[in-house]
Amino acid sequence: ETGVTQTPRHLVMGMTNKKSLKCEQHLGHNAMYWYKQSAKKPLELMFVYNFKEQTENNSVPSRFSPECPNSSHLFLHLHTLQPEDSALYLCASSQGAGANVLTFGAGSRLTVL
Amino acid sequence: GQNIDQPTEMTATEGAIVQINCTYQTSGFNGLFWYQQHAGEAPTFLSYNVLDGLEEKGRFSSFLSRSKGYSYLLLKELQMKDSASYLCATLDSNYQLIWGAGTKLIIKP
Repeated sequence: ETGVTQTPRHLVMGMTNKKSLKCEQHLGHNAMYWYKQSAKKPLELMFVYNFKEQTENNSVPSRFSPECPNSSHLFLHLHTLQPEDSALYLCASSQGAGANVLTFGAGSRLTVL
Repeated sequence: GQNIDQPTEMTATEGAIVQINCTYQTSGFNGLFWYQQHAGEAPTFLSYNVLDGLEEKGRFSSFLSRSKGYSYLLLKELQMKDSASYLCATLDSNYQLIWGAGTKLIIKP
């Protein structure tokens, strides 16, 4: 498989559940990102990893916990979420950070009940 | 503050031309991106402009005026498959991407 793959594509969870989103890229990129996309709002950058090291945490609540075990895989662990966290979560990768083109996955649609 | 403005929604006719505008106010400027996102799919890269002027890529062209803080995406010979959201984003002085909310383009037969 090529590109950026996200699983699951759809997730419904209660506020007390623990779940994880997974992202995998087969492009040899060094940087990986988590974005939140809500309807009619700009993309919100959540986390950035460059060479497996977290370089950006955009004041994201601790109920979102990222993990980057290697340059090809990125996880977003979810715990005690709120209904307002319902959104599309997009993973992206790039060859280095900065003025580089992002390759996005198709996203994980999260619904918190 | 940093801000990107683009119209929420536009409608155009198949075969016609449409121009999607994007204005920005950011701390520094290191280029402007356009991405296309079909419903339920990943955003995909369309263009990157860092110098003033028009760049043409097939049916799509992107224009930048840094002095006016303005860009547009021009789509010619519209096809039904061009129905999508178009996202404008700028790189600020820290090479952080600042995103607009996107323009939903509806193509009618």
